[in-house]
Amino acid sequence: GAGVSQSPRYKVAKRGQDVALRCDPISGHVSLFWYQQALGQGPEFLTYFQNEAQLDKSGLPSDRFFAERPEGSVSTLKIQRTQQEDSAVYLCASMERGMTSTDTQYFGPGTRLTVL
Amino acid sequence: DQQVKQNSPSLSVQEGRISILNCDYTNSMFDYFLWYKKYPAEGPTFLISISSIKDKNEDGRFTVFLNKSAKHLSLHIVPSQPGDSAVYFCAAQNTDKLIFGTGTRLQVFP
Repeated sequence: GAGVSQSPRYKVAKRGQDVALRCDPISGHVSLFWYQQALGQGPEFLTYFQNEAQLDKSGLPSDRFFAERPEGSVSTLKIQRTQQEDSAVYLCASMERGMTSTDTQYFGPGTRLTVL
Repeated sequence: DQQVKQNSPSLSVQEGRISILNCDYTNSMFDYFLWYKKYPAEGPTFLISISSIKDKNEDGRFTVFLNKSAKHLSLHIVPSQPGDSAVYFCAAQNTDKLIFGTGTRLQVFP
């Protein structure tokens, strides 16, 4: 079946612009995660949804970052007034159930955001 | 404060030999660990996992070992193949999130 898809794959924004990144999880997956991966680093957690509920947003770096999953399926990560330090790959992952110790997170290909 | 550490940024191994990738963690409350493999321009792909109630888990050419007292885990790939060349990330599950190391780039040469 289809995996996690993300769009766009690449995004170039001028500093100060707003951007919206989309994630289509695996159909039927309850949990959805966003991670940020800076160059040369591992992915870092941003936020977690269980269905449409955002249960953890502790990793969002500032109030310029906002995520939603209104119908418990597709999710959008929005970054307002982008800054150069926002340049990174943004990864989305989905998981079949809620957080348990035996489920696996499946990742999309990521969106590479470059802020000029 | 890096809770999951991969101290070797790169590793080069000859085809057919064993690759050993190492990972250390600091939080003794972590109870589930995973290894992901990442090719350029793709997302991380799940490889193998281990629960803290075990000290070894094997899946084909891949084996993960966990030493809880040392807070150390390792991934063994035997035999290594050129297609294994990628970046490998160790991750620990912490409540509702994965905490990743910085990755080790494995190159398998003929």
